Amino acid sequence: GQQVMQIPQYQHVQEGEDFTTYCNSSTTLSNIQWYKQRPGGHPVFLIQLVKSGEVKKQKRLTFQFGEAKKNSSLHITATQTTDVGTYFCAGLYGNKLVFGAGTILRVKS
Amino acid sequence: ETGVTQTPRHLVMGMTNKKSLKCEQHLGHNAMYWYKQSAKKPLELMFVYNFKEQTENNSVPSRFSPECPNSSHLFLHLHTLQPEDSALYLCASSQVLRSSRGTNEKLFFGSGTQLSVL
Repeated sequence: GQQVMQIPQYQHVQEGEDFTTYCNSSTTLSNIQWYKQRPGGHPVFLIQLVKSGEVKKQKRLTFQFGEAKKNSSLHITATQTTDVGTYFCAGLYGNKLVFGAGTILRVKS
Repeated sequence: ETGVTQTPRHLVMGMTNKKSLKCEQHLGHNAMYWYKQSAKKPLELMFVYNFKEQTENNSVPSRFSPECPNSSHLFLHLHTLQPEDSALYLCASSQVLRSSRGTNEKLFFGSGTQLSVL
């Protein structure tokens, strides 16, 4: 079945450092979505990318969708303690949404 | 507040108990979902209902039984669960659209029910 591989599994950064998480699919995606789950919370939708090569920004967060629509990344510039949580990508295959395993981000102040 | 309400927030049950999880969405969406979230595992899709009809059952054991009486309510009936079923059970809803750019299935999650099976 379809799988979305997400790396790294875990990252611990110093406040102010940058952070990136990557998602890869072996087959082409219809679109890719990103979610954030705070510790003890539930996943919250961040953004959706649809077009090949698309880049979107939300303040310090930059989302990219690969040209082949098989990979995506989320980059956070100058992390803050409020960025802690688990970041999930979710790839849409036709009408089926498949989640990656998530990247846990911890920020040391 | 996401517009998706789940009850109870926490549930402890024995393996012989029968319990139900409830989900209600106030967003006017046409699709509802049950996901299971276990430690160190990706979110696992369990069931999908589109327009009250079950469109997906992801090889879920029969001890989990979903019910969707209308487009706003979703239940997950539990019976004779196993300790490995302990997890966070998340309900979600979405508005399924079809456009030339693909299907929009942005999910709105509830706060989840943390289930412990003893």
